[in-house]
This record gives sequence, structure tokens and C-alpha cells, in this order.
Amino acid sequence: RKEVEQDPGPFNVPEGATVAFNCTYSNSASQSFFWYRQDCRKEPKLLMSVYSSGNEDGRFTAQLNRASQYISLLIRDSKLSDSATYLCVVAGSARQLTFGSGTQLTVLP
Amino acid sequence: DAGITQSPRYKITETGRQVTLMCHQTWSHSYMFWYRQDLGHGLRLIYYSAAADITDKGEVPDGYVVSRSKTENFPLTLESATRSQTSVYFCASSESRVRGTEAFFGQGTRLTVV
Repeated sequence: RKEVEQDPGPFNVPEGATVAFNCTYSNSASQSFFWYRQDCRKEPKLLMSVYSSGNEDGRFTAQLNRASQYISLLIRDSKLSDSATYLCVVAGSARQLTFGSGTQLTVLP
Repeated sequence: DAGITQSPRYKITETGRQVTLMCHQTWSHSYMFWYRQDLGHGLRLIYYSAAADITDKGEVPDGYVVSRSKTENFPLTLESATRSQTSVYFCASSESRVRGTEAFFGQGTRLTVV
């Protein structure tokens, strides 16, 4: 079983739609949680950190459920520029990041 | 310019050759990482370093060697390149003092072994 598992995707949604990505992780000792975004053939970049209390950044909302070892990302009012691969990322005590395989999102006009 | 830079950006090499990928960061981050990204596998950790002269293996270290004599540099060497090492390699760095802080990635090196 992979340490971090994500929805396989791809997700193709119209502009303005709401889309949700889910992720589960297997290591209960994991300490930090993130969503990264990766554009085609580019480096990953941090989208947002994820906290147990949930956090929101504009149209993006992330949630963490430690008991279920589950992480989610909600994107409201999708824009064409949101098209990318979204990576669920979990960090251990040594700061090394473990990545999910990613979920590809295409927002259609 | 400040940031994290990788060189070369593109490299083609022959099977059996030794290849070194360079990574340099200007933030004095303690932690540095090497990942490879392949279709179907996502990003996988090769090696990481918590400080100068401290390195540790990641998920897929076989066939690779790293060193960290200076905080700002973290080169990755393929001792004898194989076709299975054709991949995109990303270097990253992270500040150690704050738990949960993000990692910053270089632009990647696309390596083809023929």
C-alpha cells in the first residue's frame, strides 16, 4: 500500500464548478500536511498547508482528519488557471515529504 | 538571484557513465532533498540531508550518491547511469526551525540515459 493515496482522476470540470480532491495517508506519526500544485513540466509549488482545524485561502479549503488519516481539498468557482496536477503531501519528523501520485484537474471553458 | 537552482536543466548521457546533478540554494536552509518524478510513481525521495555532512537515504537510493560539504550545495551523482534512471530530478530545500514549513523546489533536471 502506498504511503499517500489520492483520487486517481483525471477531473474535467466546467468553469465555475466546485471540485473536491481526497487523500489518505498510512503513517499515523506524520506531522505536517500540504497540498502542492504542479503545472505541466514545472516544479511543484506549495498551494496550502493543511491543519486539523481546517483552513481556507480564497476559493481553496483544506481539511485534515487525523483520526481517519484523511486530507481533502475543495476548490470553489473553478478557473481555467486552476488546471494543474494537485499533489497531496505528508511530512515526517525529518521534514522529508512523501507525495501522492497526484490528481490532474482540467477546467474547461 | 536568491532561490534554489539546478544544473544542468537537460542532460543526455550514455549507459554506464557517471553523471552529477547540481543543486544550489541561497537561503541557508538546513534541509535539502532530491526527488525523482516518473509517470505512474509521482515524486519519490532519493536522498535527503538535515545539515552539512549529514545525509540519509530516502525511498529509492540505489545507484545514487550524495554529498553535502557546504550548506548551500547538494549534488547528486549517478555512479553508473542506467536507462531506468531516465527521469526528471527535483532538488528541494526547507527551513528546519519551523515544523510544517514548506519545501521549495528547483526547476528540475530532465535526464535521459541512452
